[in-house]
Amino acid sequence: DAGITQSPRHKVTETGTPVTLRCHQTENHRYMYWYRQDPGHGLRLIHYSYGVKDTDKGEVSDGYSVSRSKTEDFLLTLESATSSQTSVYFCAIRTFGQGSLFTGYTFGSGTRLTVV
Amino acid sequence: QKEVEQNSGPLSVPEGAIASLNCTYSDRGSQSFFWYRQYSGKSPELIMSIYSNGDKEDGRFTAQLNKASQYVSLLIRDSQPSDSATYLCAVEDGANSKLTFGKGITLSVRP
Repeated sequence: DAGITQSPRHKVTETGTPVTLRCHQTENHRYMYWYRQDPGHGLRLIHYSYGVKDTDKGEVSDGYSVSRSKTEDFLLTLESATSSQTSVYFCAIRTFGQGSLFTGYTFGSGTRLTVV
Repeated sequence: QKEVEQNSGPLSVPEGAIASLNCTYSDRGSQSFFWYRQYSGKSPELIMSIYSNGDKEDGRFTAQLNKASQYVSLLIRDSQPSDSATYLCAVEDGANSKLTFGKGITLSVRP
């Protein structure tokens, strides 16, 4: 794998509580992404980061915030979780190989979040 | 909204057959195109990338790109039961480094 770890792997939380998901990479890649995956909708981009403290919204950003204070960590926060945010969340990084050759996007193992 | 469309599925083929998966995209500025395979309960795994018009072959997989028609496809030759999975087409935004996905198509290979 490209050294990308998500935590926690599973979480059950109550409506209205804050939740933070963590994505950690070990290879110093500049771009990091948060996606959610739901049946019938596929993978949809929530937020992404193009550097430390540089972030931007994706297509489904309402109700989510992100932070990137270090190159290796990208945090996704649900300020007040709702049942509609029950989903599988994937972190991804844009990766480069030898000679700075662009090799694609690599995904973490995912976090299954249930809001009850 | 930049869109990526895939054939609605599911797709079922017999073992040994060719599976053909198709995808169209709306952003004419896109330069990078990907096919991901996702097994149930797992994360997407990159199986093919293609950046220029024509065919790109890797083992039993061939990706085809036609930028004029805004069309990208994946052929899987000699399909195996282990190829049974959901296949996701993804297109990188031409202006920003963001990946947009199609909804995926589920392939079932019958022994």
